[in-house]
Order: sequence, then structure tokens, then C-alpha cells
Amino acid sequence: DAKTTQPNSMESNEEEPVHLPCNHSTISGTDYIHWYRQLPSQGPEYVIHGLTSNVNNRMASLAIAEDRKSSTLILHRATLRDAAVYYCIPPGSSGGGADGLTFGKGTHLIIQP
Amino acid sequence: KAGVTQTPRYLIKTRGQQVTLSCSPISGHRSVSWYQQTPGQGLQFLFEYFSETQRNKGNFPGRFSGRQFSNSRSEMNVSTLELGDSALYLCASSLGDGLKLHEQYFGPGTRLTVT
Repeated sequence: DAKTTQPNSMESNEEEPVHLPCNHSTISGTDYIHWYRQLPSQGPEYVIHGLTSNVNNRMASLAIAEDRKSSTLILHRATLRDAAVYYCIPPGSSGGGADGLTFGKGTHLIIQP
Repeated sequence: KAGVTQTPRYLIKTRGQQVTLSCSPISGHRSVSWYQQTPGQGLQFLFEYFSETQRNKGNFPGRFSGRQFSNSRSEMNVSTLELGDSALYLCASSLGDGLKLHEQYFGPGTRLTVT
């Protein structure tokens, strides 16, 4: 089964960029890379997904390594509302609804004011 | 567009009872997935329904079941409740096919406590 490796926790200051890393060395074929986050007392929230090239949306950017074995979620200017657990979903387990998402432990992001 | 809604938000049941949880997906979404979240096991996939058919199932005992109606609303049922079933039950909806199937939208969850 595809696995991901993320740091257990990271800390950043408000209004500074945050780079959340994820290793997914078993990625293969056309597996997409997905990120979700879960704010306190809420359900998970889709953040971004990508395949080969870097992706941007209103929430974040996703930088994908050339060999696709790692990716980095970038929050350009973190706010206190970005404090959450960030999940990098193992490629291959992210086939949308059909296969279900596999959530690991994620990275607990702490934002200091 | 309204988000995913789940009812009830909180529930307390006794061991041995059964419970039914409800989920209304985002309008136009045909796929509904259910997840269980506990402090020890994290988020775990229960099952997914698309057009009233169960497409996939996670590794949970048969006491956990679900169904989907023609309007895409879904229910999950847990029979013979055990203390270990105490958890946050999350429902997620998505379009279910094509590229957009990757984006799942989660509801706020139902907090089930079994005593």
C-alpha cells in the first residue's frame, strides 16, 4: 500500500510562509497527490491536488518534486485560521469516493501570533 | 450552495442499541462516503455509495451498514453498539466521477457516544 511520511507537527509565525513536506516514495503511474486539512472541531476540508506540475489555488500552492516522490504544501501567508492538522493523502488511496481516502496522522500546524 | 449536512450532530446511546445517522450531500453530488474518526485510529474509511450502490467498503464489521436514496441522501446504521463505536462519524460527498471525484466535501460530523 502507498504510504506517506509527514512531520508530526510544525510551528510557524502568523503572516509568514509555511512549507509542509510530504514524502510519498511509493507513488506510481497516474496517482494524484491530495492534501486535506482539518480545523479544530470540524470535518476535513479539501485543500489541493496535483499530478506532475505545481498547482495553485486560492488556499495554497502545491510543489511536486520532479520524481514525484515528495511534495510540499505551501501556505503563502499563514493566519491563525490556518492552524489545523494537514493530511497528505497516500497516492493510490485517493481515487475519490470509489476507494475512500486514507488519512494518516498528518502534520499538526501551530501558528503563533 | 449548501454544504454537506449531517443529523443529528450529537447522539448518546447505550451498548447493544442500534443507531441511524443521516447525511445530505451537496446538491448535484452523487457520491457519499462515510468515515469514522477516533483519537486512537484516526480517520478510517467505512464505505462509499454512488447512485444508490455501494462501490467500496472499508475494513469494518457487518454491524456497520449504509444505504443511499435516489436523491443521493445517505444513511448509515450501526447495530449492537459497542463502547468502541464511540466516535465522530463523518460523511463526505463528491461528484463521484471524472476529474472532480478527487474533491470530497465533508460534513461537520455526528458525535456518537456509547455508554
